[in-house]
Amino acid sequence: AQSVTQLGSHVSVSEGALVLLRCNYSSSVPPYLFWYVQYPNQGLQLLLKYTTGATLVKGINGFEAEFKKSETSFHLTKPSAHMSDAAEYFCAVSDSGGSNYKLTFGKGTLLTVNP
Amino acid sequence: DTAVSQTPKYLVTQMGNDKSIKCEQNLGHDTMYWYKQDSKKFLKIMFSYNNKELIINETVPNRFSPKSPDKAHLNLHINSLELGDSAVYFCASSPAPRHHNSPLHFGNGTRLTVT
Repeated sequence: AQSVTQLGSHVSVSEGALVLLRCNYSSSVPPYLFWYVQYPNQGLQLLLKYTTGATLVKGINGFEAEFKKSETSFHLTKPSAHMSDAAEYFCAVSDSGGSNYKLTFGKGTLLTVNP
Repeated sequence: DTAVSQTPKYLVTQMGNDKSIKCEQNLGHDTMYWYKQDSKKFLKIMFSYNNKELIINETVPNRFSPKSPDKAHLNLHINSLELGDSAVYFCASSPAPRHHNSPLHFGNGTRLTVT
């Protein structure tokens, strides 16, 4: 069974500082990995995804993530935080085979950005 | 606008009542889902339908009954509501299940409060 662990339920950074949100996955087959963002009282929006190919994935709003198979990680980064980045971030994994498709989510990391 | 839309946005009701949440997507997707997000923001899949056929049922109490009249609609009916059912329920859609690398598109959620 696949699973996702997000280290740190709450990350606080200053505006302009580096954002690093950690995600480790467990999957018995090659995984597909996703990062979603949830703003207050809204649904989840896709930030970026890794399927195959290039291990450094660029997403929207200046975010990127690197797939490291040896470390089973898919950490999300942004060089310079903006106030508008404050939100809940979810890492998710799906398997690359099987007849059913579902995303398994981590427990989320709340990002706060201080002025 | 192309989107996943769910109604109502807020639902407040008493224990023991029966209520329904409706979801519609105009993205042309074959697969629709219901996810439950608890008070700690943890997202867990409940059901998945592919072209009106149930393909995932994640051990949800049988008080919850999804219904898919066509592939663009997936409604959730809940009987005999309990306090523990209070949560935010998200509808989502994606292309056919074999497309494991396709992201989910989420609605904005229905916040259910059972008193």
